[in-house]
Order: sequence, then C-alpha cells, then structure tokens
Amino acid sequence: GAVVSQHPSWVICKSGTSVKIECRSLDFQATTMFWYRQFPKQSLMLMATSNEGSKATYEQGVEKDKFLINHASLTLSTLTVTSAHPEDSSFYICSARGWGLAYEQYFGPGTRLTVT
Amino acid sequence: AQRVTQPEKLLSVFKGAPVELKCNYSYSGSPELFWYVQYSRQRLQLLLRHISRESIKGFTADLNKGETSFHLKKPFAQEEDSAMYYCALSAGGTSYGKLTFGQGTILTVHP
Repeated sequence: GAVVSQHPSWVICKSGTSVKIECRSLDFQATTMFWYRQFPKQSLMLMATSNEGSKATYEQGVEKDKFLINHASLTLSTLTVTSAHPEDSSFYICSARGWGLAYEQYFGPGTRLTVT
Repeated sequence: AQRVTQPEKLLSVFKGAPVELKCNYSYSGSPELFWYVQYSRQRLQLLLRHISRESIKGFTADLNKGETSFHLKKPFAQEEDSAMYYCALSAGGTSYGKLTFGQGTILTVHP
C-alpha cells in the first residue's frame, strides 16, 4: 500500500531557531500533500495544502512566513517552522494524495516538535 | 464553513456489545464523509468512506443527510477495536480533498 514517512519523528529546538520537517511518499507520486497540526488530546487542524511545483495554500489564521512549505518534487514536501517559539510546540502530521487516489489521503506518522 | 462534531470524547463498551460512534456535520453542499482510525502508536488510516458503502472490520456507517449524521456502528465490538476514531468531511469545489476532522472519540473495548 501507499506509505508516507516523516523525518524527524521528534525534534527539540531552541526558541528563535528554525526547524525543517520532511514528508515523503515512498511508493507513489504525491500530487498533493497536506500539513496538519495536532494539539494534545485535540483534533487535527489543516494548516496548508501543497501541490507539486506550486505555492502552498494556507488555511485562515496560519502564518505563511512562519510555516514555510515547499513541495519541490512528487515525493517530497517540507515544512519549515521559522523562528520557533514555545507555542509552536505541537504534533505535525502530513498526508499525501496521488494520481487516481482522488479521495484517499495517506498519513505520515507525525513529528513531535518541542521548542524550549 | 464546514464543521464536524463528535459528541463523545470517550466511549467504553464490553467485548461483544454493539457500539455506535456518533458524528454530525454541517455543510451546505454535498459532502464526502470518512471515518479514520488511529490505533495506539500507529498513524491515522482510513476506515470507511461513505460513497463506498462497504463494511470494514465489521464497521458500517450510513450517511443520513436529513439528520446530517454519519454514525459508525459495529454490532459486536472486539478488544482490537480499541482506538481513536475520527470522523472527517471533505467539501467540494476549491476545497476538494481538504479534510475537516471532528474532535475524535476514544473507544475502549473491555474484555
């Protein structure tokens, strides 16, 4: 089946630094990737949608300059949290959708970000 | 804007008992509804899609447009069904493919 990986699985960074999270589709070409954020014991909230080769579309309230998303290839999307602050600490999950998989999104395992 | 509501954060049943996880939605158009499941220490995975009208692992869900509900049901719960369940909605148009999730219900099936 379709597999999506994320790297790293967890990361700790200092306030003010930037951190990059990778999302890869391992066995299919992901035309669209989605980035979600999940707070403890809460639901997933869509942050942005990225289509390969084009700019990401951000949901209302998500800062574009803070959460930089790049989808440079059909198998890789990256989320960079710039100038991280403790309130950015969260669980970030990506999902990917490929050709002919119009409805199904395959989810990555998530990345736990802790900003100290 | 669309909204998905799962009124129960926690649901406990005994093995062999019927289980129903509730999901209500609000959306002015024709939505696509899904149930996702997340087992302990595993990633989120698709369980059911309303258009498929299939039964997966004994679970079924029927879209009731009149009541704007998409409840997940299983007649005889098993211990391995213990997990977090999310109801999700995909809107149409420019939002096609974007998922709006409910808050999730933690199902615990006791032996």
